[in-house]
Amino acid sequence: GESVGLHLPTLSVQEGDNSIINCAYSNSASDYFIWYKQESGKGPQFIIDIRSNMDKRQGQRVTVLLNKTVKHLSLQIAATQPGDSAVYFCAEKNQAGTALIFGKGTTLSVSS
Amino acid sequence: NAGVTQTPKFQVLKTGQSMTLQCAQDMNHNSMYWYRQDPGMGLRLIYYSASEGTTDKGEVPNGYNVSRLNKREFSLRLESAAPSQTSVYFCASSRDATYEQYFGPGTRLTVT
Repeated sequence: GESVGLHLPTLSVQEGDNSIINCAYSNSASDYFIWYKQESGKGPQFIIDIRSNMDKRQGQRVTVLLNKTVKHLSLQIAATQPGDSAVYFCAEKNQAGTALIFGKGTTLSVSS
Repeated sequence: NAGVTQTPKFQVLKTGQSMTLQCAQDMNHNSMYWYRQDPGMGLRLIYYSASEGTTDKGEVPNGYNVSRLNKREFSLRLESAAPSQTSVYFCASSRDATYEQYFGPGTRLTVT
């Protein structure tokens, strides 16, 4: 069946370090992936997306890597800041291509 | 440009009561979605509307109904609320299913 999971439920880093949040997906036919950030009491906020014809995509301080061979997705945050503290979700398009399937989330805690 | 708005922000219901959660978007998006988020879980899709005039069931549709009133508005109705429906409900919209979704601030619902 379809499922998206994250390797670690929590990640703690020091301010200024680089953070890497991982995600495994099960549907080898998935062609679209998204990372969201959710701060406490708010709705998920779009960070970056990647399509299956790419291996890497960069945004402002964030990079998403896609390894289709092992069905693995990662989000790298450079120079992590306290404001990056949040829950991060990966999501993939479902088999029907009509909606997103979300993983359970990784809580990133940044200490200064 | 308000993005996605949801009302109410908070609601407490007694078991068996009914209510409608409202959602509107001003981005001229074709697709709209309703999710629920429970502690320790990712977002689970309840219903979605790929375009005006169409609605389809998601992963957890039981106990809910939806109406795509027009292109802007997509409402979620609980006909007879149950304690298992205590959750945070998020509405989202996207240009279509191949693009990123934008989320509202959520409605926190408690059923006693």
